[in-house]
Amino acid sequence: QLQLQESGSGLVKPLQTLSLTCAVSGGSINSADYSWGWIRQPPGKGLEWIGYIYLSGSTFYNPSLKSRVTISVDRSKNQFSLKMNSMTAADTAVYYCVRRGSRDDPFDIWGQGTTVTVSS
Amino acid sequence: QSVLTQPPSVSGAPGQRVTISCTGSSSNIGANYDVHWYQQPPGTAPKLLIYGNNNRPSGVPDRFSGSKSDTSASLAITGLQAEDEADYYCQSYDTSLSVVVFGGGTKLTVL
Repeated sequence: QLQLQESGSGLVKPLQTLSLTCAVSGGSINSADYSWGWIRQPPGKGLEWIGYIYLSGSTFYNPSLKSRVTISVDRSKNQFSLKMNSMTAADTAVYYCVRRGSRDDPFDIWGQGTTVTVSS
Repeated sequence: QSVLTQPPSVSGAPGQRVTISCTGSSSNIGANYDVHWYQQPPGTAPKLLIYGNNNRPSGVPDRFSGSKSDTSASLAITGLQAEDEADYYCQSYDTSLSVVVFGGGTKLTVL
């Protein structure tokens, strides 16, 4: 069964760049049927969609974050990544990597999440 | 403030039936975009519970059901069990904002 596992910097200083990677195991990332993305959840709050990428390279980002976010895929390593610059305390959250089909499909597989704290 | 509106909390006794509403607008649920539901037990990642308005993934008990009408959707849980205690989120797409949208979440307490 396909699984997702996040890794990366858990503590980021203000104004620095967050880098997270999501490793895909138990299956291949090389399927045109799916997109790969990120969702975050601030402490005690709800879910916020960040963005996703198709293997074609097409990316879709939350307009509120678009200027600071880049999602990319590394097919050879079976993983995808998130970079978010100019981090502030408001970006402190649990970050989840997710798999989704196309258009109207749900996020059917989630990673366990990784906690990111923005603090000096 | 979330684009999709859910009640902050609901509760019910074991064995009872509860419903959780998700109210949207003509630019999301009312624009014929599917509604999906996720269950998030305390301290864990969300898990897909209902997809495409009223479909259950393999392994989800038939005590859980979804429905959609006009600009709203609902999640119903029958035969409440202690293990159902969790946060529940609805999700859709908003064509005006060009964004995937979530409800604010509903905390279910089993009394």
